[in-house]
Amino acid sequence: DAMVIQNPRYQVTQFGKPVTLSCSQTLNHNVMYWYQQKSSQAPKLLFHYYDKDFNNEADTPDNFQSRRPNTSFCFLDIRSPGLGDTAMYLCATSRAPLAGGPHTDTQYFGPGTRLTVL
Amino acid sequence: DQQVKQNSPSLSVQEGRISILNCDYTNSMFDYFLWYKKYPAEGPTFLISISSIKDKNEDGRFTVFLNKSAKHLSLHIVPSQPGDSAVYFCAASASGGSYIPTFGRGTSLIVHP
Repeated sequence: DAMVIQNPRYQVTQFGKPVTLSCSQTLNHNVMYWYQQKSSQAPKLLFHYYDKDFNNEADTPDNFQSRRPNTSFCFLDIRSPGLGDTAMYLCATSRAPLAGGPHTDTQYFGPGTRLTVL
Repeated sequence: DQQVKQNSPSLSVQEGRISILNCDYTNSMFDYFLWYKKYPAEGPTFLISISSIKDKNEDGRFTVFLNKSAKHLSLHIVPSQPGDSAVYFCAASASGGSYIPTFGRGTSLIVHP
């Protein structure tokens, strides 16, 4: 089945110790997203790739970086995690909006990585 | 400042009855709305959507109603089943802006047998 896979599912790291979360997709979608979701809050978009074009949200901390080496893979790097970065990190993919169609295409989410910073 | 609000964090319903999940938005530019469902340990999955040119969209047991003047939409599940127990996220986007939807906080629905 085509899907979005995230690894690891659970990650515990120490304050200030860099961590990398990975996302892969078999859907061949050209848009990939990273969201941060803290407890009882809405998923918050950190950044997204439209093909190779990187789009950072204005309020995403510099501490958060991303790489997309190819269509299938996308990584979230947290350079110096703080206690406030404890959250669920969701990766999602979608096709680019189609001309004449709904301007928002359905997003397909991975199961998430639950990150705990101690 | 939340542009998409789901003011009820949780809802409990008896099996077979109707579940009504509500969502309010503040951005008048939003013209496309989606509902996602999330089970524990899984990512959100798309459930149903509605464009602002419609006021109702139905898919089996799920119906979404849109009231543009009130900036309000609701998801109706009839009849509710225990398998519907999940967190439901409302999301909205604007064709004149980013195609990426803005999400609400979610409402946790529990359907009791």
